[in-house]
Amino acid sequence: DTEVTQTPKHLVMGMTNKKSLKCEQHMGHRAMYWYKQKAKKPPELMFVYSYEKLSINESVPSRFSPECPNSSLLNLHLHALQPEDSALYLCASSQGAGVNTEAFFGQGTRLTVV
Amino acid sequence: GQNIDQPTEMTATEGAIVQINCTYQTSGFNGLFWYQQHAGEAPTFLSYNVLDGLEEKGRFSSFLSRSKGYSYLLLKELQMKDSASYLCAAFYNQGGKLIFGQGTELSVKP
Repeated sequence: DTEVTQTPKHLVMGMTNKKSLKCEQHMGHRAMYWYKQKAKKPPELMFVYSYEKLSINESVPSRFSPECPNSSLLNLHLHALQPEDSALYLCASSQGAGVNTEAFFGQGTRLTVV
Repeated sequence: GQNIDQPTEMTATEGAIVQINCTYQTSGFNGLFWYQQHAGEAPTFLSYNVLDGLEEKGRFSSFLSRSKGYSYLLLKELQMKDSASYLCAAFYNQGGKLIFGQGTELSVKP
C-alpha cells in the first residue's frame, strides 16, 4: 500500500465555518506534511510532523491548526478562513523527515472559501 | 532560503528529447526529487538523486551534480501525455524540508 488518502476531495466553506481536512497513510512513514498549492504555482510547505511532533511551521496563520493524533493520521483544522485561502491542500508522507526517501502525495483537498 | 530555479515553460515536439534544468542552494542539501503534475492533480514521483550521476528509468533520466547545485530531468521519445508541469524539489536537512521549485510547464506538440 503506497497510498496517502485525503478527505474530503472537495470542500466549500464560509468564512465563519470550522472544518477539518484529514490525511491517512499506512506505510509506516514517520514524517507527514501539509502543503498548499494555488493554481499554476508549486506546492508551498506549511507544516512538517516528525514522529507525531510538529517540527516545522512555515509561519502559517493560526487560522490553520495542524494535528497529528497518531503516526498514521494528520489533520488540518480550519477556522475563520479568508477567500484567498482557497487552494489545493496536499498531504504527503515520507519514511522520515530528513531521510532520503520519496515523499508520497495524496490527491489533495480542493478548498473553496466563500 | 533555499532558492530552487527552473525554467517557467518549455515546448517540444512529439518523439523528441527535452532536458529540464534545475539549480538549488547546496547548504543543508540532502537529495533532489523530480515530480510530474498534471493540471488539477497531485504531484507524482518521477525520480530521486542523492549521489552525483545519472539515474535512468525508462524514458526518464535524472542527473545530479552536488558540487554545482545542479540537476536535470531528461525526457526521451516525448509523448503528448507528457505535457504537464515538472517540479524540481530539494530535500534539506533542517527538520526535513522538501522545497519545490516553481515548476516547468512542458507543452508537447505534434
